[in-house]
Amino acid sequence: AQSVTQPDIHITVSEGASLELRCNYSYGATPYLFWYVQSPGQGLQLLLKYFSGDTLVQGIKGFEAEFKRSQSSFNLRKPSVHWSDAAEYFCAVYNAGNNRKLIWGLGTSLAVNP
Amino acid sequence: GAVVSQHPSRVICKSGTSVKIECRSLDFQATTMFWYRQFPKQSLMLMATSNEGSKATYEQGVEKDKFLINHASLTLSTLTVTSAHPEDSSFYICSASFGGYEQYFGPGTRLTVT
Repeated sequence: AQSVTQPDIHITVSEGASLELRCNYSYGATPYLFWYVQSPGQGLQLLLKYFSGDTLVQGIKGFEAEFKRSQSSFNLRKPSVHWSDAAEYFCAVYNAGNNRKLIWGLGTSLAVNP
Repeated sequence: GAVVSQHPSRVICKSGTSVKIECRSLDFQATTMFWYRQFPKQSLMLMATSNEGSKATYEQGVEKDKFLINHASLTLSTLTVTSAHPEDSSFYICSASFGGYEQYFGPGTRLTVT
């Protein structure tokens, strides 16, 4: 069955430090992958997506993610974290089967220390 | 582009009453709309998928008589929580798609049932 795993429930980093949020997926076909960010009490904002082509994807707010098929991973990175990046981050894979829905990871909560 | 709105953003209602939440795609025609429920500190749970002019497809475990979904036009879907009870209190998020892989999310509606 298709699934998305975000191994880290909670991460704390210092402002200015680099960040990597992990995402592993299980999907039989070519995956369409997404990273979303959710600030407290807010909806979801798309950070970036991967459909095909270059496996290093650039997104908004200085984020990037790298698709590694051999590792079934789509990790999100940012070289220097800002306090405003504190939020919940969700990885998702699109299920192109009959139900055409997104399969979500459980999310990683990011805290940023000043 | 691809803006989705939800109304209301917050609603408080008394137990036993019904509440309607609207989801609108403002600048595109949404052939498919999705309704999610999110519990505190948790991921999104898909409740149902609706296609314009068709009956909604509910996920397993979601009571279709309790959560009525109508997708009457290409820009509007509504979720009605009937006979609401405190356990229905949650954050409800809609998303819309115009047939591709992406979903565009609304800002969410905080429902509190007293």
